[in-house]
Amino acid sequence: GAGVSQSPSNKVTEKGKDVELRCDPISGHTALYWYRQSLGQGLEFLIYFQGNSAPDKSGLPSDRFSAERTGGSVSTLTIQRTQQEDSAVYLCASRLPTSGGSNEQFFGPGTRLTVL
Amino acid sequence: GIQVEQSPPDLILQEGANSTLRCNFSDSVNNLQWFHQNPWGQLINLFYIPSGTKQNGRLSATTVATERYSLLYISSSQTTDSGVYFCAGATGANNLFFGTGTRLTVIP
Repeated sequence: GAGVSQSPSNKVTEKGKDVELRCDPISGHTALYWYRQSLGQGLEFLIYFQGNSAPDKSGLPSDRFSAERTGGSVSTLTIQRTQQEDSAVYLCASRLPTSGGSNEQFFGPGTRLTVL
Repeated sequence: GIQVEQSPPDLILQEGANSTLRCNFSDSVNNLQWFHQNPWGQLINLFYIPSGTKQNGRLSATTVATERYSLLYISSSQTTDSGVYFCAGATGANNLFFGTGTRLTVIP
């Protein structure tokens, strides 16, 4: 089956603009995670959705960052008033329900965001 | 959060050589994964190995959960093995904490 997909693959924007990044998880995966990879910070967690539970937003770096997950599937990460330090690769991962016995996460190809 | 220490940070090998990469965790984890990041930035799953030993071709991994470390073995290395290797751990279904990676370069 298809893996995790993300769009766009690349996004260049101007400082101060808003951007939306999309993630389509693997079919049947109820858990979805957003991470980002930047030169200075490595790979860091942003937000986690599990089924209908309230998301774990503990990794979001500021209130300019938000995410939604509609219908338990597709997720959108929104960054408002982008800053140059937001430049990074944003990665999405998904996982089977924990009742499936494994907590293995599978990653999409990422969206490379460049803020000019 | 969980601190993850990877070693070595950089490794240069002659093709055909073997290597061992190590990952130490500051706390107990029951989700532990090894990834290879390809030149396009995609994280490729190598092993899901919260404990025990697994093998896949020339790669194998061992996790000693009680001592909070994991090892990735690469045997008979090939140039296509080049890239960055990450380990990551989590408690249960929570988010993964990543190490800073080992950059492997295999020279023909």
